[in-house]
Amino acid sequence: EMQLVESGGGVVRPGGSLRLSCAASGFTFDDYGMNWVRQAPGKGLEWVSGINWNGGSTGYADSVKGRFTISRDNAKNSLYLQMNSLRAEDTALYRCARAFDDISGYKNYFDPWGQGTLVTVSS
Amino acid sequence: EIVLTQSPATLSLSPGERATLSCRASQSVGSYLAWYQQKPGQAPRLLIYDASNRATGIPARFSGSGSGTDFTLTISSLEPEDFAVYYCQQRSSWPRAFGQGTKVEIK
Repeated sequence: EMQLVESGGGVVRPGGSLRLSCAASGFTFDDYGMNWVRQAPGKGLEWVSGINWNGGSTGYADSVKGRFTISRDNAKNSLYLQMNSLRAEDTALYRCARAFDDISGYKNYFDPWGQGTLVTVSS
Repeated sequence: EIVLTQSPATLSLSPGERATLSCRASQSVGSYLAWYQQKPGQAPRLLIYDASNRATGIPARFSGSGSGTDFTLTISSLEPEDFAVYYCQQRSSWPRAFGQGTKVEIK
């Protein structure tokens, strides 16, 4: 069974940093692009960042560009999101999601998804 | 940048009724459109990809159609478990990917 489990969320002050992790199992991790998608409380889905299978290509939403960095460790079947200079508007549930197919990189549909880790930015 | 607009924002229907959800793109996305279902407290689930292909394990009452800029998700006969929020997503142009969602609620 494919599984994605996020961790690393918490409460942080504006301007602070957090590092999110996503542990993958049940599929060949280094075959697939991976993404982070967030959802603010009571709001819709927002793609945050994506990375291709070997880390050679990455992308970011305009809202996080220059502040967030996505990375992966294929030996550990893990995906990461380093979040710096956090703002109140970054408060959300952050989910990792696998690219639907192993052909088109991270610019893809998303399946499966993890349950998410909650990030709260508040003073 | 492509913007996806979903309508209506809320759809109030009874079990057994037909649901028709719309997703309109500001520019053509070809057939590169997916639909997701999200229930409260759960992660989204992929229903339809490439506009009309059902994902693995998705019941036949869910169908997708359209191409270019206009897309439709149809639920032929609503089951109690189908009341949820539905999102469309395009993979043709990044970084903006998702529509704002349509809530299908029990009338």
